[in-house]
Order: sequence, then C-alpha cells, then structure tokens
Amino acid sequence: GAGVSQTPSNKVTEKGKYVELRCDPISGHTALYWYRQSLGQGPEFLIYFQGTGAADDSGLPNDRFFAVRPEGSVSTLKIQRTERGDSAVYLCASSLTAGNTEAFFGQGTRLTVV
Amino acid sequence: EDQVTQSPEALRLQEGESSSLNCSYTVSGLRGLFWYRQDPGKGPEFLFTLYSAGEEKEKERLKATLTKKESFLHITAPKPEDSATYLCAVGAPGANSKLTFGKGITLSVRP
Repeated sequence: GAGVSQTPSNKVTEKGKYVELRCDPISGHTALYWYRQSLGQGPEFLIYFQGTGAADDSGLPNDRFFAVRPEGSVSTLKIQRTERGDSAVYLCASSLTAGNTEAFFGQGTRLTVV
Repeated sequence: EDQVTQSPEALRLQEGESSSLNCSYTVSGLRGLFWYRQDPGKGPEFLFTLYSAGEEKEKERLKATLTKKESFLHITAPKPEDSATYLCAVGAPGANSKLTFGKGITLSVRP
C-alpha cells in the first residue's frame, strides 16, 4: 500500500480482555517498529522487527505484551489481560532497512481499556 | 540512556512571526536526529534527518539545524496550517534502530 496501515483505528475493551492490533507496513520495508504514545508524551519504543525476527523487544513493558511478524510483512501486537494503564495510542512504523533511514508511521490504534 | 528534551512545551505565534523550537539531546553516539510533525489523531509525519553537527536541511518554511548537543527547528513566517506538534527523536548507532523521542512542542499559529 501507499502508507503504513493500522487496524482497528479505535479499540475499546474491558479490563482483563485480550486484544490484537494489526500493522500493515509499506511494501518492501524490512524493518517494522511498534511504539506506544500516551497523552502529552512522545512515542515510546516497544519492539523492533528486522524481517520476521524480533531484533529488539526491550521496550515491551511486561510479559502481557507480545508481537509477531510471521512472514516478514504484517505484524500483530498482542496484549493479554489488559489493564487500564495500557490505554494509549499504539503506533506502528516501517522503514526500508534498519539503520540510517527514516521511519514512516501509521495513524495509530487508540486503545481504551475500561 | 539516551535522553531528548524539547522546549518550550507549547508555543503560540502570530501568522508571519518567525521562531525556533529547541531539541536538546544526550546520546552515547548519534545515528541521526529526526524531526517529525504530528497532527491531532494522526501518526507522526517525517520531516528531516540530520546526521552530523553543522548539517542543515530545509523544507518550505522549516529549517532544521544540528550541533553536538542540540537541534533547532526554525519556522520562518509561519502560517496557521503549520500548527501541529513537532517531535524530535534520536537514533543510537548499531543494529538497533529504535528512536528515543522527546515529548514534543505544540505549535499554534494564529491568523
């Protein structure tokens, strides 16, 4: 596609439920990133994929968070046993390669845990 | 740990009133200094990458500069459509391509 696509754009879920957030990167981009942005803050790094493998997952806050990219294209961020503190905008970005190249962001998924 | 501080937090300008946004950073080694623009409800939109001190880049009314400790985003004769949040981020060298972002500066340009 022309840009990074994220679905859904909004997700409201009850505390304790499981959610999946999807990211479709720009075609041909090998690097994919997930960030989380809380109100009034800049994006905070969660995880980075180079191809199919998670090259750096140091930003995942705890083991309730997990992400996959099985075929090196679409990625899914999975959150188990959601908590109200997980409410934020989850941003996905992709870049042509890792290293000195700019990342292009999707519009984000706004997750609200009630 | 990489750190990015942006100032001021918010800036209100009259249309045509030029100003500068500041981004101070500390990083073990700079892979790049990135500026993004973010409109409400949207993802960040890439503006510039600067790689070394002394480098400058321009795009329309925006000009980004870089020193060893900070970057400035200069806005010349801004228009209301320049109103947005401007984010600064740094990338560290190595295989890890993650960016560390500042909190952003919310710019409002009044007609």
